[in-house]
Amino acid sequence: AQSVTQLDSHVSVSEGTPVLLRCNYSSSYSPSLFWYVQHPNKGLQLLLKYTSAATLVKGINGFEAEFKKSETSFHLTKPSAHMSDAAEYFCVVTGESASGGSYIPTFGRGTSLIVHP
Amino acid sequence: KAGVTQTPRYLIKTRGQQVTLSCSPISGHRSVSWYQQTPGQGLQFLFEYFSETQRNKGNFPGRFSGRQFSNSRSEMNVSTLELGDSALYLCASSLRSDDIQYFGAGTRLSVL
Repeated sequence: AQSVTQLDSHVSVSEGTPVLLRCNYSSSYSPSLFWYVQHPNKGLQLLLKYTSAATLVKGINGFEAEFKKSETSFHLTKPSAHMSDAAEYFCVVTGESASGGSYIPTFGRGTSLIVHP
Repeated sequence: KAGVTQTPRYLIKTRGQQVTLSCSPISGHRSVSWYQQTPGQGLQFLFEYFSETQRNKGNFPGRFSGRQFSNSRSEMNVSTLELGDSALYLCASSLRSDDIQYFGAGTRLSVL
């Protein structure tokens, strides 16, 4: 079985300071990993996807994430927070089901990013 | 290219009623997945359809069902509504099951 743990339910930063949103996963298979962002009353939007081509993945809006297999982590970072980054962030792992041939996504509980002026 | 469209955006129902939600995927996407989002349980996978066949199903009771049409449009049905079914229901489409998912804005269902 696969699982995702987002280590912080809330992260508060000041505008212009770095952002770190932490995600640990477990999977019996070679997973695909994603970060999505959800702004209030909106659907989810993809930030980035780990495809195994490179451990450091660059996404939209200056976000990036590093895949560390030894630590089973996929933390999301941004060098400088902007007010518009305030939203809910979800780490997602998608792995092949036990029966094989199909992929079931598991979402973390989400991290609410608060950005202070 | 038009995004994922979910209708209606808001619904109010009473306990015991049934409801049908609709999702139109991005053109060319054959995989459609449904999720339930609540403050208490977070985002939970309901089921996925691919080429009119249900490929995966989450841990939800049989009151929750869905289907997909030949044009990839999908509907989700919840029968005998309970108060706990109040949630934001999100639909997502993708080219393949393991690929990037594109989400609609959701249907907010309130059960009174």
